[in-house]
Amino acid sequence: AQTVTQSQPEMSVQEAETVTLSCTYDTSESDYYLFWYKQPPSRQMILVIRQEAYKQQNATENRFSVNFQKAAKSFSLKISDSQLGDAAMYFCAYRYLQGGSEKLVFGKGTKLTVNP
Amino acid sequence: DTGVSQDPRHKITKRGQNVTFRCDPISEHNRLYWYRQTLGQGPEFLTYFQNEAQLEKSRLLSDRFSAERPKGSFSTLEIQRTEQGDSAMYLCASSLQRQGLNEQYFGPGTRLTVT
Repeated sequence: AQTVTQSQPEMSVQEAETVTLSCTYDTSESDYYLFWYKQPPSRQMILVIRQEAYKQQNATENRFSVNFQKAAKSFSLKISDSQLGDAAMYFCAYRYLQGGSEKLVFGKGTKLTVNP
Repeated sequence: DTGVSQDPRHKITKRGQNVTFRCDPISEHNRLYWYRQTLGQGPEFLTYFQNEAQLEKSRLLSDRFSAERPKGSFSTLEIQRTEQGDSAMYLCASSLQRQGLNEQYFGPGTRLTVT
């Protein structure tokens, strides 16, 4: 079964500093996608960054980058120059296809606090 | 409005009552998903539609739950005889099927409280 594990229930970072959120996953598939979603308090979930498993190059979106280690099944998110608006729940998610159906499996999330 | 919308945003109901939630996806999106998110957990897949066809249902979706997408546009999720364990955030997401990645866009959710 596909599972996603986020081992850090909470993290905190000083404004302008860098923080890394961890995620590991379990799969026997070779073709899949990985995502980080951000869910601010009382607001909807938005996609932060995605990674195709077949791509060796780590994805980058402005201040957000990932460290994708396929063999280790690890997918961490690095936030550089943290801003107050980065405070939110962050969910790691894994997408796979099964019998033509597409599924997203989420981790339990990491609550990120940004201290001014 | 170009995003996914959900109605109502909050619902408080008494145990045993029926409730219905609505989701309006992004207009050109042909796939629609329902998830449930309980406190301290990530969203869990419930069901999804491609156009009007319901292609998969999770075992989390008991007989008391039913979802429809009658014309391939908006969708409804009904819970009959609600139980306290149904209290959760119900999230809707939509995507446009195309080759490769089909990014899911989420709505703001409906928070259900069963008393």
